[in-house]
Amino acid sequence: EVLLVESGGGLVQPGGSLRLSCAASGFTFKSFAMHWVRQPPGEGLEWIASVSDVGSPTFYTDSVKGRFTVSRDNSKNTLYLQMNSLRADDTAVYFCAKYSHSCLPLCFYYLDVWGRGTPVTVSS
Amino acid sequence: IQLTQSPTFLSASVGDTVSFTCRASRDILNYLAWYQQKPGKAPNLLIFAASTLQGGVPSRFSGSGSETEFTLTISSLQPEDFATYYCLQLYSFPFTFGPGTKVDF
Repeated sequence: EVLLVESGGGLVQPGGSLRLSCAASGFTFKSFAMHWVRQPPGEGLEWIASVSDVGSPTFYTDSVKGRFTVSRDNSKNTLYLQMNSLRADDTAVYFCAKYSHSCLPLCFYYLDVWGRGTPVTVSS
Repeated sequence: IQLTQSPTFLSASVGDTVSFTCRASRDILNYLAWYQQKPGKAPNLLIFAASTLQGGVPSRFSGSGSETEFTLTISSLQPEDFATYYCLQLYSFPFTFGPGTKVDF
């Protein structure tokens, strides 16, 4: 079974740091780019970051650029999100997702497998 | 690239056929996916490449459109289809989601 399990969420004070992990199983982790998506309470989905299969390049949405770093350890089948200088508006459930593609023959990409998410609350 | 979805909320009944729209601020070809999300759950991929049904998704779901305007249609709405639906553009980074359409009674 293809599975993604996030961990590392919790309560942190404004300005603090947190590192999220996403453990992958059931597929060849090193062959797929991975993404992070978050969802503030009662709000919609926000794409925030991605990392290629080999760890570079990485991409970020503007609101987290310079504060968050996405990385991966293919030897451990694990994706990470290092979050620094956290703010109240970073409060959300954070999901990791697998980036797959199908060629029809043009290749189209999508996020097909998601974890259940880990909640992050930034509050004093 | 900004995505807008309409309507924000859609009231429907079991058996109805419903459609809602996702509009992109610029041409994204057909690099668009649709997701269904239920409260407390992760999003579930329904359609990619604007109109290709993901494996295991019921055929009552269909997608259409290209460039800047896209539509998701659900034929014969079932009780389990009451949820929020999001579009996602995968044409260029940063990827962006639409704000969602909630389908409710």
